[in-house]
Amino acid sequence: KAGVTQTPRYLIKTRGQQVTLSCSPISGHRSVSWYQQTPGQGLQFLFEYFSETQRNKGNFPGRFSGRQFSNSRSEMNVSTLELGDSALYLCASSLRLENTDTQYFGPGTRLTVL
Amino acid sequence: AQSVTQLDSHVSVSEGTPVLLRCNYSSSYSPSLFWYVQHPNKGLQLLLKYTSAATLVKGINGFEAEFKKSETSFHLTKPSAHMSDAAEYFCVVSDQAGTALIFGKGTTLSVSS
Repeated sequence: KAGVTQTPRYLIKTRGQQVTLSCSPISGHRSVSWYQQTPGQGLQFLFEYFSETQRNKGNFPGRFSGRQFSNSRSEMNVSTLELGDSALYLCASSLRLENTDTQYFGPGTRLTVL
Repeated sequence: AQSVTQLDSHVSVSEGTPVLLRCNYSSSYSPSLFWYVQHPNKGLQLLLKYTSAATLVKGINGFEAEFKKSETSFHLTKPSAHMSDAAEYFCVVSDQAGTALIFGKGTTLSVSS
């Protein structure tokens, strides 16, 4: 079974631009979560989607948004990029995301903002 | 609020010696706890998880962890380190809704020959 895939793997943008990252979950998984990883703040939860509905959101500004499609694929968007948005963005999928579910992570998209 | 504290930012061991990575958690409810590993330029891989069943949890690659409620700890151990174990290890707790993972700051494990 194929794992979680994320595209693109690397991205370079300039301040003020916007960016869209894509995540395809494991087949059959309906929950998709997004995390930001930086050297300073570590791994932080962005948001989680289940059946096209956002169920939970972390403490990030409104510039960060996401959505999930009917096939469970998810995208996240960051508008008006700032230098501090440079990070590794990780996507994870699970069947339903109950407490006992395992989240499987993709390889991440490394975003560099210049 | 729930939180995770990894007590060591860096641990160095010799190949063949035991590994101990320490983790304390804080939670107002019965948590689910996890250990994930991240090798350089790779995604996160689940090592093991505790979900209120047996307190001693066995994971992949010979790792195990013991949930101690009285000490609010979930330390990760391995009897004998291998060079391939060198990586970043994260202790993780799920939030009460079960829809978000809260990560510790990570422990870098170095293994020397």
